[in-house]
Amino acid sequence: DVKVTQSSRYLVKRTGEKVFLECVQDMDHENMFWYRQDPGLGLRLIYFSYDVKMKEKGDIPEGYSVSREKKERFSLILESASTNQTSMYLCASAIKQGYNSPLHFGNGTRLTVT
Amino acid sequence: ILNVEQSPQSLHVQEGDSTNFTCSFPSSNFYALHWYRWETAKSPEALFVMTLNGDEKKKGRISATLNTKEGYSYLYIKGSQPEDSATYLCASRRDSGYALNFGKGTSLLVTP
Repeated sequence: DVKVTQSSRYLVKRTGEKVFLECVQDMDHENMFWYRQDPGLGLRLIYFSYDVKMKEKGDIPEGYSVSREKKERFSLILESASTNQTSMYLCASAIKQGYNSPLHFGNGTRLTVT
Repeated sequence: ILNVEQSPQSLHVQEGDSTNFTCSFPSSNFYALHWYRWETAKSPEALFVMTLNGDEKKKGRISATLNTKEGYSYLYIKGSQPEDSATYLCASRRDSGYALNFGKGTSLLVTP
């Protein structure tokens, strides 16, 4: 089974801090994604990556950046955390071939910015 | 951005009831439609990926249909059980790149 591991289940950070959310997958997937989930809004795409060192903005990239130095690891960076970035963050990966591959999700990181 | 809409927003049924949810999506430039189940404290889990008009897929008591011409998909659960309680998400593949666009989900509660 594919395993997608997010480094923290819960995080509490202060406004203005630089925050790193880490995600590692063990199935050699080319595609990796970061979503955030907020009540009443559903999953919204922040960034995705289709290869090492490649990244694409999603729907809500403002205030975030990403890093993909190795195929298995995709990091989401909050340059200066703000209270409106309090959310559940989900990482996912998928194999590249075809358009039919399902996403494999991590368990999520619930981030609170105070 | 493709607007994916799901209805109802939430649903409460009794054990043994059959139920269904709807996912609607723009039918132009359609590539694929995904269904996921997201149980509390777990990660979303893929149920189906559907690509062809008229597709029907089944996994146990859960099945799904796809109409790409009119832009909708139905998810059916036959004989609901308490363990079916979860949020059911559908997502459509976007025009550009590989990323999926998700609906807001249908939250299902099945009580004994």
